[in-house]
Amino acid sequence: GQQVMQIPQYQHVQEGEDFTTYCNSSTTLSNIQWYKQRPGGHPVFLIQLVKSGEVKKQKRLTFQFGEAKKNSSLHITATQTTDVGTYFCAQESYNTDKLIFGTGTRLQVFP
Amino acid sequence: EAEVAQSPRYKITEKSQAVAFWCDPISGHATLYWYRQILGQGPELLVQFQDESVVDDSQLPKDRFSAERLKGVDSTLKIQPAELGDSAMYLCASRPRQGRAFFGQGTRLTVV
Repeated sequence: GQQVMQIPQYQHVQEGEDFTTYCNSSTTLSNIQWYKQRPGGHPVFLIQLVKSGEVKKQKRLTFQFGEAKKNSSLHITATQTTDVGTYFCAQESYNTDKLIFGTGTRLQVFP
Repeated sequence: EAEVAQSPRYKITEKSQAVAFWCDPISGHATLYWYRQILGQGPELLVQFQDESVVDDSQLPKDRFSAERLKGVDSTLKIQPAELGDSAMYLCASRPRQGRAFFGQGTRLTVV
């Protein structure tokens, strides 16, 4: 199936450490969205990035969209146990509403 | 907040049997997606509807899977016959034009 690569696949951190996940596309994107899925749950929308070089912050979360609109990153500062889950990027290309999800990065936070 | 409704939440079926999943999107959302998510992997797009029309079903195994959204509102995904490898979470999502996607709770299918 169609999926987008995210790295790393897994990350285990001590509470208080930072965390970053990266999402890469081979094509220029219309926009990119980020979702969080808790264990046993469904994906929940976090944010959408549309503009080249855009940076958005939500409390301890920082989202970036690359200048070429081909890659994106999510950075969490000072992780907490509530950050546990799998983080997915979802890519949307121009002229389509097709939303293709990344492979995800599973974050585990140890207290 | 409005939600996407899916049923059933869980389904156990024997292989070679038929199974169907139902999704009721948020009112007014023209775009509806069905995704399959295997444990530990990301959601894989199976089919995308715009109103009642299929926009993309390139990843739908059409020999056994079918999807419809007859009145452009709720949707049904069917598998016949089910195979062991179909065991997964089936997620439905809807979205307004260029907006965020809203997911239902999903249907967890186990084929035995």
